[in-house]
Amino acid sequence: DVKVTQSSRYLVKRTGEKVFLECVQDMDHENMFWYRQDPGLGLRLIYFSYDVKMKEKGDIPEGYSVSREKKERFSLILESASTNQTSMYLCASSLWGLKAGDSPLHFGNGTRLTVT
Amino acid sequence: SQQGEEDPQALSIQEGENATMNCSYKTSINNLQWYRQNSGRGLVHLILIRSNEREKHSGRLRVTLDTSKKSSSLLITASRAADTASYFCATAGYSTLTFGKGTMLLVSP
Repeated sequence: DVKVTQSSRYLVKRTGEKVFLECVQDMDHENMFWYRQDPGLGLRLIYFSYDVKMKEKGDIPEGYSVSREKKERFSLILESASTNQTSMYLCASSLWGLKAGDSPLHFGNGTRLTVT
Repeated sequence: SQQGEEDPQALSIQEGENATMNCSYKTSINNLQWYRQNSGRGLVHLILIRSNEREKHSGRLRVTLDTSKKSSSLLITASRAADTASYFCATAGYSTLTFGKGTMLLVSP
Protein backbone atom coordinates (compact mmCIF):
# COMPACT_ATOMS: atom_id res chain seq x y z
CA ASP A 1 0.00 0.00 0.00
CA VAL A 2 1.11 3.52 -0.76
CA LYS A 3 1.99 5.46 2.31
CA VAL A 4 1.99 9.23 2.42
CA THR A 5 3.29 10.53 5.72
CA GLN A 6 2.88 14.06 6.98
CA SER A 7 5.30 14.93 9.74
CA SER A 8 2.82 16.49 12.16
CA ARG A 9 -0.86 15.88 12.88
CA TYR A 10 -1.28 19.09 14.84
CA LEU A 11 0.81 22.23 14.79
CA VAL A 12 0.41 25.55 16.59
CA LYS A 13 2.47 28.51 15.41
CA ARG A 14 2.55 32.22 16.02
CA THR A 15 1.84 34.94 13.48
CA GLY A 16 4.96 35.82 11.54
CA GLU A 17 6.74 32.51 12.11
CA LYS A 18 8.21 30.55 9.23
CA VAL A 19 6.46 27.19 9.08
CA PHE A 20 7.54 24.00 7.34
CA LEU A 21 5.10 21.20 6.60
CA GLU A 22 6.78 18.01 5.48
CA CYS A 23 5.40 15.20 3.39
CA VAL A 24 7.05 11.92 2.39
CA GLN A 25 5.74 9.19 0.09
CA ASP A 26 7.21 5.72 -0.23
CA MET A 27 5.98 4.57 -3.65
CA ASP A 28 8.24 6.43 -6.06
CA HIS A 29 5.38 8.63 -7.29
CA GLU A 30 6.26 11.41 -9.68
CA ASN A 31 3.47 13.79 -8.72
CA MET A 32 2.98 15.40 -5.33
CA PHE A 33 0.39 17.93 -4.21
CA TRP A 34 -0.47 20.24 -1.35
CA TYR A 35 -4.11 21.09 -0.65
CA ARG A 36 -5.73 23.02 2.14
CA GLN A 37 -9.19 22.14 3.40
CA ASP A 38 -11.53 24.63 5.04
CA PRO A 39 -15.17 24.26 6.09
CA GLY A 40 -17.49 25.44 3.36
CA LEU A 41 -14.65 25.79 0.84
CA GLY A 42 -13.65 22.18 0.29
CA LEU A 43 -10.16 21.29 -0.88
CA ARG A 44 -8.14 23.90 -2.71
CA LEU A 45 -4.86 23.22 -4.48
CA ILE A 46 -1.90 25.28 -3.28
CA TYR A 47 1.03 23.85 -5.25
CA PHE A 48 1.95 20.69 -7.05
CA SER A 49 5.09 19.11 -8.43
CA TYR A 50 5.48 16.58 -11.21
CA ASP A 51 9.22 16.02 -10.83
CA VAL A 52 12.15 16.77 -8.59
CA LYS A 53 12.85 20.50 -8.43
CA MET A 54 9.74 21.22 -10.52
CA LYS A 55 6.77 23.07 -9.07
CA GLU A 56 3.56 24.55 -10.38
CA LYS A 57 1.18 26.98 -8.72
CA GLY A 58 -2.27 25.78 -7.90
CA ASP A 59 -5.35 27.86 -7.24
CA ILE A 60 -4.20 29.60 -4.05
CA PRO A 61 -0.37 29.85 -3.95
CA GLU A 62 -0.17 33.28 -2.31
CA GLY A 63 1.68 33.20 0.99
CA TYR A 64 3.14 29.74 0.33
CA SER A 65 6.18 28.24 -1.32
CA VAL A 66 7.29 24.64 -1.83
CA SER A 67 10.44 22.62 -2.13
CA ARG A 68 11.07 19.29 -3.78
CA GLU A 69 14.73 18.36 -3.56
CA LYS A 70 14.12 14.61 -3.53
CA LYS A 71 11.45 12.60 -5.31
CA GLU A 72 9.89 11.27 -2.13
CA ARG A 73 9.69 14.53 -0.21
CA PHE A 74 7.56 17.61 -0.82
CA SER A 75 7.65 20.48 1.64
CA LEU A 76 5.18 23.31 2.04
CA ILE A 77 6.57 26.53 3.47
CA LEU A 78 4.65 29.39 5.00
CA GLU A 79 7.16 32.22 4.83
CA SER A 80 5.37 34.35 7.43
CA ALA A 81 2.39 32.60 8.95
CA SER A 82 -0.85 34.52 9.28
CA THR A 83 -4.09 33.68 11.07
CA ASN A 84 -5.91 33.18 7.76
CA GLN A 85 -3.58 30.25 7.08
CA THR A 86 -5.13 28.33 9.96
CA SER A 87 -6.40 25.23 8.18
CA MET A 88 -6.09 21.51 7.54
CA TYR A 89 -3.26 20.84 5.10
CA LEU A 90 -3.33 17.69 3.03
CA CYS A 91 -0.46 16.24 1.04
CA ALA A 92 -1.06 13.76 -1.78
CA SER A 93 0.92 11.85 -4.37
CA SER A 94 0.16 10.03 -7.60
CA LEU A 95 1.87 8.23 -10.44
CA TRP A 96 2.71 10.26 -13.51
CA GLY A 97 0.11 10.12 -16.23
CA LEU A 98 -0.34 11.61 -19.67
CA LYS A 99 -3.44 13.40 -18.48
CA ALA A 100 -4.41 14.84 -15.17
CA GLY A 101 -6.02 12.38 -12.83
CA ASP A 102 -4.92 9.33 -14.82
CA SER A 103 -3.92 7.88 -11.50
CA PRO A 104 -5.76 8.36 -8.22
CA LEU A 105 -4.33 10.55 -5.49
CA HIS A 106 -3.03 8.99 -2.30
CA PHE A 107 -3.43 11.31 0.67
CA GLY A 108 -1.67 11.69 3.97
CA ASN A 109 -3.70 12.10 7.15
CA GLY A 110 -3.32 15.84 7.17
CA THR A 111 -1.73 18.48 9.38
CA ARG A 112 -4.09 20.72 11.30
CA LEU A 113 -2.27 24.03 11.59
CA THR A 114 -3.38 26.75 13.97
CA VAL A 115 -1.78 30.18 13.69
CA THR A 116 -2.34 32.40 16.71
CA SER B 1 -13.49 26.79 -12.53
CA GLN B 2 -14.39 23.19 -13.20
CA GLN B 3 -14.98 22.49 -9.53
CA GLY B 4 -17.57 19.82 -8.94
CA GLU B 5 -20.54 20.57 -6.74
CA GLU B 6 -21.94 17.76 -4.66
CA ASP B 7 -25.58 17.45 -3.77
CA PRO B 8 -26.93 17.09 -1.15
CA GLN B 9 -24.57 18.77 1.29
CA ALA B 10 -25.65 16.32 3.99
CA LEU B 11 -27.51 13.01 3.97
CA SER B 12 -28.78 10.97 6.90
CA ILE B 13 -30.01 7.39 6.41
CA GLN B 14 -30.49 4.11 8.30
CA GLU B 15 -28.24 1.09 7.96
CA GLY B 16 -29.28 -1.09 5.07
CA GLU B 17 -30.65 1.79 3.00
CA ASN B 18 -29.06 3.03 -0.19
CA ALA B 19 -27.32 6.40 -0.35
CA THR B 20 -27.11 8.47 -3.52
CA MET B 21 -24.89 11.50 -3.95
CA ASN B 22 -24.67 13.68 -7.02
CA CYS B 23 -21.92 15.78 -8.53
CA SER B 24 -22.26 18.46 -11.19
CA TYR B 25 -19.43 20.24 -12.97
CA LYS B 26 -19.04 22.98 -15.55
CA THR B 27 -16.35 22.17 -18.11
CA SER B 28 -15.22 19.13 -20.06
CA ILE B 29 -13.22 16.57 -18.13
CA ASN B 30 -10.78 13.73 -18.70
CA ASN B 31 -12.21 11.69 -15.88
CA LEU B 32 -14.08 12.00 -12.60
CA GLN B 33 -13.12 10.44 -9.30
CA TRP B 34 -14.88 9.88 -5.99
CA TYR B 35 -13.13 10.00 -2.63
CA ARG B 36 -14.17 9.32 0.97
CA GLN B 37 -12.91 11.17 4.03
CA ASN B 38 -13.43 9.92 7.54
CA SER B 39 -13.52 12.61 10.19
CA GLY B 40 -10.13 14.23 10.72
CA ARG B 41 -8.37 12.02 8.20
CA GLY B 42 -7.04 12.22 4.67
CA LEU B 43 -9.08 11.31 1.62
CA VAL B 44 -9.25 7.78 0.29
CA HIS B 45 -9.79 7.09 -3.40
CA LEU B 46 -12.93 5.08 -4.14
CA ILE B 47 -13.44 4.92 -7.88
CA LEU B 48 -12.40 6.56 -11.15
CA ILE B 49 -14.66 6.83 -14.18
CA ARG B 50 -13.29 8.01 -17.51
CA SER B 51 -15.09 10.46 -19.75
CA ASN B 52 -15.92 7.70 -22.28
CA GLU B 53 -17.49 5.46 -19.63
CA ARG B 54 -21.09 5.67 -18.46
CA GLU B 55 -21.17 3.38 -15.45
CA LYS B 56 -18.72 1.66 -13.16
CA HIS B 57 -19.06 -0.67 -10.19
CA SER B 58 -16.81 -1.47 -7.27
CA GLY B 59 -18.25 -3.67 -4.53
CA ARG B 60 -21.25 -1.81 -3.07
CA LEU B 61 -20.42 1.32 -5.06
CA ARG B 62 -21.97 2.27 -8.36
CA VAL B 63 -20.90 5.40 -10.22
CA THR B 64 -22.56 6.86 -13.28
CA LEU B 65 -21.35 9.64 -15.53
CA ASP B 66 -23.41 11.70 -17.93
CA THR B 67 -21.09 14.01 -19.84
CA SER B 68 -23.98 15.60 -21.74
CA LYS B 69 -25.45 16.79 -18.45
CA LYS B 70 -22.04 17.27 -16.84
CA SER B 71 -23.07 15.21 -13.86
CA SER B 72 -22.16 12.07 -11.95
CA SER B 73 -23.76 10.08 -9.18
CA LEU B 74 -22.37 7.78 -6.50
CA LEU B 75 -24.65 5.09 -5.15
CA ILE B 76 -23.75 3.16 -2.02
CA THR B 77 -25.96 0.13 -1.63
CA ALA B 78 -26.86 -1.58 1.66
CA SER B 79 -25.12 1.12 3.68
CA ARG B 80 -23.34 0.41 6.94
CA ALA B 81 -22.50 2.60 9.92
CA ALA B 82 -18.87 2.42 8.78
CA ASP B 83 -19.86 4.27 5.58
CA THR B 84 -20.37 7.42 7.68
CA ALA B 85 -17.96 9.92 6.13
CA SER B 86 -17.73 12.84 3.73
CA TYR B 87 -17.72 12.01 0.05
CA PHE B 88 -16.06 14.19 -2.58
CA CYS B 89 -16.11 14.17 -6.33
CA ALA B 90 -13.00 15.36 -8.15
CA THR B 91 -12.85 16.36 -11.78
CA ALA B 92 -9.68 15.93 -13.83
CA GLY B 93 -9.03 18.61 -16.38
CA TYR B 94 -5.80 19.54 -18.12
CA SER B 95 -3.29 19.28 -15.33
CA THR B 96 -4.84 18.74 -11.90
CA LEU B 97 -7.78 17.41 -9.95
CA THR B 98 -10.34 19.84 -8.62
CA PHE B 99 -12.47 18.79 -5.67
CA GLY B 100 -16.01 19.71 -4.73
CA LYS B 101 -17.09 20.65 -1.22
CA GLY B 102 -18.39 17.22 -0.37
CA THR B 103 -21.48 15.42 0.91
CA MET B 104 -21.56 14.44 4.57
CA LEU B 105 -23.18 11.02 4.93
CA LEU B 106 -24.42 9.78 8.29
CA VAL B 107 -25.52 6.17 8.52
CA SER B 108 -27.34 5.35 11.73
CA PRO B 109 -27.42 1.80 13.14
